[in-house]
Amino acid sequence: EAGVTQFPSHSVIEKGQTVTLRCDPISGHDNLYWYRRVMGKEIKFLLHFVKESKQDESGMPNNRFLAERTGGTYSTLKVQPAELEDSGVYFCASSQDILEQFFGPGTRLTVL
Amino acid sequence: RKEVEQDPGPFNVPEGATVAFNCTYSNSASQSFFWYRQDCRKEPKLLMSVYSSGNEDGRFTAQLNRASQYISLLIRDSKLSDSATYLCVVTLSGTYKYIFGTGTRLKVLA
Repeated sequence: EAGVTQFPSHSVIEKGQTVTLRCDPISGHDNLYWYRRVMGKEIKFLLHFVKESKQDESGMPNNRFLAERTGGTYSTLKVQPAELEDSGVYFCASSQDILEQFFGPGTRLTVL
Repeated sequence: RKEVEQDPGPFNVPEGATVAFNCTYSNSASQSFFWYRQDCRKEPKLLMSVYSSGNEDGRFTAQLNRASQYISLLIRDSKLSDSATYLCVVTLSGTYKYIFGTGTRLKVLA
């Protein structure tokens, strides 16, 4: 069975540009999460989808970040416009229930 | 104060040694507890869930102390392949989101 996949694996953009990250969860997992690790800090929660609905978006840093999960399958996270402090590794995870979350390999975003 | 605190290490231990990590959490409403392992530039992977009664999986033993609000991970007979960052993860009652510690880095030396 395929795990969580993320695209792209790396992205280098300039400040002010837009970037869209994609996550494909494990098939059948209704729960999808986005997390971010900024260099030197712990991994932090951004938001949680149940199917296509946003269950918890308490971790979204500001309105430059927009997450969608149309149709309840894959999800996208758009950053517009990107700022220097947005650099980090963005992880997506999925789960069937409240227990184990399965993480994707992450997208390493660098904003110059 | 961070919600989940871990000693970042690194812990450098010889092969075959026993090593223990602790993790403290600040919110008494914490409900579920996990240890995840993360290799360099890879994704976190579940090592084990932590139950109130304590649990063991081969060379790994996890303990939970709700009164003192800490969890521990004990690794016996360390292998070179155990070198990684060990992440303490907590969830709060009624939520699914993971709260991570910064991780403890372990290096097992030949």
